[in-house]
Amino acid sequence: DTAVSQTPKYLVTQMGNDKSIKCEQNLGHDTMYWYKQDSKKFLKIMFSYNNKELIINETVPNRFSPKSPDKAHLNLHINSLELGDSAVYFCASSRGQGNGNTIYFGEGSWLTVV
Amino acid sequence: GNSVTQMEGPVTLSEEAFLTINCTYTATGYPSLFWYVQYPGEGLQLLLKATKADDKGSNKGFEATYRKETTSFHLEKGSVQVSDSAVYFCALNSGSEKLVFGKGTKLTVNP
Repeated sequence: DTAVSQTPKYLVTQMGNDKSIKCEQNLGHDTMYWYKQDSKKFLKIMFSYNNKELIINETVPNRFSPKSPDKAHLNLHINSLELGDSAVYFCASSRGQGNGNTIYFGEGSWLTVV
Repeated sequence: GNSVTQMEGPVTLSEEAFLTINCTYTATGYPSLFWYVQYPGEGLQLLLKATKADDKGSNKGFEATYRKETTSFHLEKGSVQVSDSAVYFCALNSGSEKLVFGKGTKLTVNP
């Protein structure tokens, strides 16, 4: 059973397009995240939600809009895609707050903007 | 702010060699520390973690001990295998609801 699943796994699209990546977790966790991994493998948080409420927004451009219809889902919509958006996007979840909580990651969505 | 520094890669070893990947951190409070692994073309998997000073995390033959006095969480394995080839990330969580990652260390193990 996949704990954190995201789709699509691979996405190639043209500059200027709008695209979405969907994420679902079946762990019963309260907190979900989006992380971005750049071409040098560096990982950085973009957003986190706790029970559908935005908790963290790490100065991500407004073109990126997360949406959490319920606590098991956190989708990422990206408007007007740019070349620099090419990266791997990881969805993740954790039980809740507190630094001891383990964060579980999905398998990643490889986005290529051409 | 919180930060994680891990040794620059890439690291190339022969099978059965001893592995150490250094990781040091800067954090306020008492963070939890993690090692994640990313195999080629795959997502991030938790390898091990430690939540307080002197805790030792271990999994799949890998170990790391939370050393508060040296603010370190070095990853070790006594005998690496080809299947251990991956990128290893050290990370901390200081309770701010996010993981702060190091830059990753690529390990290649040759037969």
